[in-house]
Amino acid sequence: DARVTQTPRHKVTEMGQEVTMRCQPILGHNTVFWYRQTMMQGLELLAYFRNRAPLDDSGMPKDRFSAEMPDATLATLKIQPSEPRDSAVYFCASGLTGDNEQFFGPGTRLTVL
Amino acid sequence: GESVGLHLPTLSVQEGDNSIINCAYSNSASDYFIWYKQESGKGPQFIIDIRSNMDKRQGQRVTVLLNKTVKHLSLQIAATQPGDSAVYFCAENTGGFKTIFGAGTRLFVKA
Repeated sequence: DARVTQTPRHKVTEMGQEVTMRCQPILGHNTVFWYRQTMMQGLELLAYFRNRAPLDDSGMPKDRFSAEMPDATLATLKIQPSEPRDSAVYFCASGLTGDNEQFFGPGTRLTVL
Repeated sequence: GESVGLHLPTLSVQEGDNSIINCAYSNSASDYFIWYKQESGKGPQFIIDIRSNMDKRQGQRVTVLLNKTVKHLSLQIAATQPGDSAVYFCAENTGGFKTIFGAGTRLFVKA
């Protein structure tokens, strides 16, 4: 059945390294969201796209984070340089315009040492 | 899949009993309120939503109640089952796509 996929599922890296997380939204969905989940902050919206265009990335630290959709089947979230405080689970979700339901992927657990 | 062990309010219920999970929201301009369920090791899963001009909506075994006077939202689960054990999040949005999630409540179902 259709589902959002995310890679990698786990990533351990050292401070200062670049991290790229990838997401494949459900085919036909035109909205894509990136969230970060931590114990302290809960689930935070980082960025979202509609029809591949970024609509809001106000939740994202601009100096080190970037989100893109090179095509309709791929969304990326990059952190450069990574810092220990970036350690979290990063979720991608997709949906359809006008529908409140977002379909979440399994997440990427990032650990920055 | 992944999840995070948050220090959350916890509700413990006996299998077969009804569960009521509560949520307070802050933005009176929100158009929609949404409930998500997150099982251990997985991403959140949509349960049900309710528009701000409604006060009740029912789904399969779930009912959402909205009280705009006191900015309160609740999720009622009938005949709670072990598979209902999860973290439940309420969320709100203003009709666009910026969805703000609450802190969550952990539901334990005792067999």
